[in-house]
Amino acid sequence: DAGVIQSPRHEVTEMGQEVTLRCKPISGHNSLFWYRQTMMRGLELLIYFNNNVPIDDSGMPEDRFSAKMPNASFSTLKIQPSEPRDSAVYFCASSLRLDYYNEQFFGPGTRLTVL
Amino acid sequence: SQKIEQNSEALNIQEGKTATLTCNYTNYSPAYLQWYRQDPGRGPVFLLLIRENEKEKRKERLKVTFDTTLKQSLFHITASQPADSATYLCALANYNQGGKLIFGQGTELSVKP
Repeated sequence: DAGVIQSPRHEVTEMGQEVTLRCKPISGHNSLFWYRQTMMRGLELLIYFNNNVPIDDSGMPEDRFSAKMPNASFSTLKIQPSEPRDSAVYFCASSLRLDYYNEQFFGPGTRLTVL
Repeated sequence: SQKIEQNSEALNIQEGKTATLTCNYTNYSPAYLQWYRQDPGRGPVFLLLIRENEKEKRKERLKVTFDTTLKQSLFHITASQPADSATYLCALANYNQGGKLIFGQGTELSVKP
């Protein structure tokens, strides 16, 4: 398996623009997680899905952020409108099941820069 | 509020020595604790998991301890090598939060030859 795939790897955009990040989890994994990592705040969980259903979105910072998982092999994280403080590395991770003892497999991340 | 603390300063050690990284937590009752390694420009990679009823777990040169009384986990790398240089993250989860992990800020380890 190719692992978790994220695209794009780098995104530079201007304030106010819409940004869409994409993720393909490992085939057969039922749970998907979106994280954001910055130097100041570390790795923060934004939202996670189980069997394509959002379970907890309490980490989503504002209404400008939204995430979808239309099927088991694809998820998007959208920021509209984007702001400079959204600049960070966004990671997608998947796990076999939503159990507390399952390891998470992370993608390579998308480095977002909002000018 | 729940808080996870890892050594904020980078840890520099000599090759061959044992590296010990600390993860402390407050206002939290984790069911288990995981350790991840993160290299620059890459996503975290899972290393080890230890449950609340386990005192110690080993995997090759890695050893993790979990003391729920002290609210602390120690992560040891024995016979360290320059290739072990990376940032190490601890992550906690409790029973009623499913697979939700809360990550520490990470500790940067540098092993000098």
